[in-house]
Amino acid sequence: EAQLVESGGGLIQPGGSLRLSCAASGFTVSSNYMSWVRQAPGKGLEWVSVIYSSGSTRYADSVKGRFTISRDISMNTLYLQMDSLRAEDTAVYYCARVAAGDLDYWGQGTLVTVSS
Amino acid sequence: EIVMTQSPVTLSVSPGERATLSCRASQSPSSNLAWYQQKPGQAPRLLISGASTRATGIPARFSGSGSGTDFTLTISSLQSEDFAVYYCQQYNNWPWTFGQGTKVEIK
Repeated sequence: EAQLVESGGGLIQPGGSLRLSCAASGFTVSSNYMSWVRQAPGKGLEWVSVIYSSGSTRYADSVKGRFTISRDISMNTLYLQMDSLRAEDTAVYYCARVAAGDLDYWGQGTLVTVSS
Repeated sequence: EIVMTQSPVTLSVSPGERATLSCRASQSPSSNLAWYQQKPGQAPRLLISGASTRATGIPARFSGSGSGTDFTLTISSLQSEDFAVYYCQQYNNWPWTFGQGTKVEIK
């Protein structure tokens, strides 16, 4: 069965950087579209980024130019590099496998808190 | 960007009753519409994709319907484990967008 495990969250000061990891098992990351979705405390879901099996990427306008999605084929792991972090980036970040655009498997999430 | 609007914000239902949740899109996402369930402290879980196809392992009491800009998630007979927040998502146009959620609570 497919499984996703995120790590790398924590407390970071505004303007800082953080890299989230999402280790996959039960399927191959590079053969699938993969996505990051975030949820601010007490709020709804916000799609952040997607990487296609081709390696092409897309980003929400709110993170474009600051976040970078990538993957490591040998580690079967998805990443999200987050730079120039802002208070409004505070959220639980989920990685998810993309089926046809719907998200069929999700990790448990990792909390990122941006605060001084 | 397609804006997804869910109603009601909160739905109070007694166990065993039927729940009907609505999701309206600002423009048609075709049938590229999914529904998710989220319980406190947990990740979302896919319930429905393609507007009406149940995901693997999802009980038959969950059904999705609709077309154009109006979609519905119906839970035919609410069980205790169904009290949660439900989100719709369109994946027809970039950026993919979610509704703001409907909380189904015990009446």
